[in-house]
Amino acid sequence: EAGVVQSPRYKIIEKKQPVAFWCNPISGHNTLYWYLQNLGQGPELLIRYENEEAVDDSQLPKDRFSAERLKGVDSTLKIQPAELGDSAVYLCASSFPGTETYNEQFFGPGTRLTVL
Amino acid sequence: AQSVSQHNHHVILSEAASLELGCNYSYGGTVNLFWYVQYPGQHLQLLLKYFSGDPLVKGIKGFEAEFIKSKFSFNLRKPSVQWSDTAEYFCAVMSRDDKIIFGKGTRLHILP
Repeated sequence: EAGVVQSPRYKIIEKKQPVAFWCNPISGHNTLYWYLQNLGQGPELLIRYENEEAVDDSQLPKDRFSAERLKGVDSTLKIQPAELGDSAVYLCASSFPGTETYNEQFFGPGTRLTVL
Repeated sequence: AQSVSQHNHHVILSEAASLELGCNYSYGGTVNLFWYVQYPGQHLQLLLKYFSGDPLVKGIKGFEAEFIKSKFSFNLRKPSVQWSDTAEYFCAVMSRDDKIIFGKGTRLHILP
């Protein structure tokens, strides 16, 4: 089974430029997550989708960040304009709703963003 | 607010030494607990999980963790580490609303 796919793996941009990250979850996983991971920190949730609906975007800085998952499959996270402090790894994860009380999340390799 | 605290940011051990990584969380309700591992150059992957039942859970590669509710702890253990266990380890807590909070991680270096 293919894992969570993310692209690009690395991105270097200048500040104030826009940037977009793409994620394709594991087939059949209807829940998709975007996380931000700063150096030396654990992942922090930005947004969670159930199918095409954003059910938790409370941690997404909406002035510059946006996300979409139009057909409930792959997703795009955008930053416009990027700031120096946005340099980090952006992780995508997906899960499948099961009968247990939690849903195991499967992570992609991440996109490492460097803003100059 | 929910939080997860990992006591050790950086641990260095020799091969065959015993390992215990501390994890404490703050949340009053029912939680699900996880340890994730990230080997150098690889994705985050699930090491083990607890959501109910036996508080001593066993995971992959000889790891285990014990949930002690009274101490709000979920420490990770391995009796004898190997060089290949060099990685970063993250404790995480998920509450009933599916919010998952990660700790800051512990970098483990095993000396051959």
